[in-house]
Amino acid sequence: AQTVTQSQPEMSVQEAETVTLSCTYDTSESDYYLFWYKQPPSRQMILVIRQEAYKQQNATENRFSVNFQKAAKSFSLKISDSQLGDAAMYFCAYSEIIQGAQKLVFGQGTRLTINP
Amino acid sequence: DSGVTQTPKHLITATGQRVTLRCSPRSGDLSVYWYQQSLDQGLQFLIQYYNGEERAKGNILERFSAQQFPDLHSELNLSSLELGDSALYFCASSRSYNEQFFGPGTRLTVL
Repeated sequence: AQTVTQSQPEMSVQEAETVTLSCTYDTSESDYYLFWYKQPPSRQMILVIRQEAYKQQNATENRFSVNFQKAAKSFSLKISDSQLGDAAMYFCAYSEIIQGAQKLVFGQGTRLTINP
Repeated sequence: DSGVTQTPKHLITATGQRVTLRCSPRSGDLSVYWYQQSLDQGLQFLIQYYNGEERAKGNILERFSAQQFPDLHSELNLSSLELGDSALYFCASSRSYNEQFFGPGTRLTVL
């Protein structure tokens, strides 16, 4: 079974600084999708960024970017110019498609604190 | 706002009871997914429906069932509730494989 590991239960960063959250996954597939979701105190799950495994170029969404290392099965999230509103739980998720079926497998999450 | 709606927001019930959670996907999304988030199990996939048909099943208990209706809304039915079923239940929807947009969740408390 596919597994997703987030080795940092908690991280903290100074406002305006850069922080990187780690994620590794285990799969034998070559085609899959990776996601980072943000869960603020409201508990809403918000899609931050996504990466298709067949794309070599790392995805970027404004201040959020990923470092996708397919051979190493690593998918880290970099947040630049951290803002107070970035404080949340961040979940890494993996998904593959089998005969039209898709499910997300989540890591345990990293709690990010922003220090003013 | 993701465009996915879930009702009710909160549900408090007793052990042994049955409840129904409702989800309306984003306009145009044919796939609906259900997830459970609990403190001990984390976020777990329960089931996926695509245009009314079941597509994938995860760690869904036999006491739980779901369906997707012709108007694409979905319901998750939880029966013979136990204390351990207390959790946040999310619905998500998508129209392509590189996205899943989540609703605000239903918080279920079983007393």
